[in-house]
Amino acid sequence: EPEVTQTPSHQVTQMGQEVILRCVPISNHLYFYWYRQILGQKVEFLVSFYNNEISEKSEIFDDQFSVERPDGSNFTLKIRSTKLEDSAMYFCASSEGTAGKGYTFGSGTRLTVV
Amino acid sequence: GENVEQHPSTLSVQEGDSAVIKCTYSDSASNYFPWYKQELGKGPQLIIDIRSNVGEKKDQRIAVTLNKTAKHFSLHITETQPEDSAVYFCAARWPGQNFVFGPGTRLSVLP
Repeated sequence: EPEVTQTPSHQVTQMGQEVILRCVPISNHLYFYWYRQILGQKVEFLVSFYNNEISEKSEIFDDQFSVERPDGSNFTLKIRSTKLEDSAMYFCASSEGTAGKGYTFGSGTRLTVV
Repeated sequence: GENVEQHPSTLSVQEGDSAVIKCTYSDSASNYFPWYKQELGKGPQLIIDIRSNVGEKKDQRIAVTLNKTAKHFSLHITETQPEDSAVYFCAARWPGQNFVFGPGTRLSVLP
């Protein structure tokens, strides 16, 4: 079964540093997403991406964050000047369309800011 | 914006018993309601979903019911097994928008 692949599985970074989280969505999917889950809390929407541009973003997704699809397969989340409170699981997801069909999450990247 | 509440936050059942998790949503325009199972160290996995034009959907031991008038939907797991132990998240979405998740229910199935 097709999977959304995320790397690395765990990233430790110093406060103030920049990190890039990588995702390879399912190949025929057109919509891409990033979500965040702080330990013990619910999954929160960050951003959706379609046709090489952001289609929606939440209040969490401020100027510290950016997304990019640098080539035909990768979808990245960049977090600049990381803060302790950025520590969380970050999930990438992709879908065929907006109707929910085939909406698939990756296994996540655990980001720890120290 | 949309708000999704979920109860209970934790649930323990004996193996073989049924488990029910309930969610309420605030936006009556929401039209898609998936349920996700999250095992330790993994991403959420879709286990069942229901659209607003349907009142109930069943897939083997799992069923979801939707009450549009009351704006709530429930997950029912029958004949629970230890491998059902996980955190379950409900979610809601309205047209053109992204998912809003409930806070999750930690289900423990005791052998």
